[in-house]
Amino acid sequence: NAGVMQNPRHLVRRRGQEARLRCSPMKGHSHVYWYRQLPEEGLKFMVYLQKENIIDESGMPKERFSAEFPKEGPSILRIQQVVRGDSAAYFCASSPLSTGGQGYTFGSGTRLTVV
Amino acid sequence: KQEVTQIPAALSVPEGENLVLNCSFTDSAIYNLQWFRQDPGKGLTSLLLIQSSQREQTSGRLNASLDKSSGRSTLYIAASQPGDSATYLCAVRGEETSGSRLTFGEGTQLTVNP
Repeated sequence: NAGVMQNPRHLVRRRGQEARLRCSPMKGHSHVYWYRQLPEEGLKFMVYLQKENIIDESGMPKERFSAEFPKEGPSILRIQQVVRGDSAAYFCASSPLSTGGQGYTFGSGTRLTVV
Repeated sequence: KQEVTQIPAALSVPEGENLVLNCSFTDSAIYNLQWFRQDPGKGLTSLLLIQSSQREQTSGRLNASLDKSSGRSTLYIAASQPGDSATYLCAVRGEETSGSRLTFGEGTQLTVNP
């Protein structure tokens, strides 16, 4: 039973390029959450999705960032026209229930470096 | 707005010592609280999950307590080992009406010296 799978593990982009981060939740989990960890800072909530629906995107920057969780395939966090300040570790978590009663399982993260 | 604070920010202890990590949160209307461990450059490993109706949870040498009314949780590590060196994160989940997000503390960086 694979855990939450994120890829790539490391991603290097030049300023102005697009970054696509993928997350496959645990089997049986239909709720996905994205968090960002800036250097020397704690994890901050970005967006919460269910299949084909964005439930809460209040933590996501209004511009350049978008997220989706299609009916088939992984969840995608997309960052357009990346800037140096986007360099961070991006973590995905999944849960089987919206209430998170069983807790959250996190992936190993994608470390984005913008050069 | 929920805020989570962890004290101390860093802790260095000799091997074998028992230690306590502290977590406080400003809004007591939580659904549950989860303690995680994060190793450098790695993801988060869940250690213990305490539901709002529970007072404590134990797993091996780890014991986590929750005092919801006072907005506090502690993580107790018995007989610490060098392999326990990591950053420990406390995260709270608000009650369902306030959404499913986790609010994290900044973490306590623990170093256990052999």
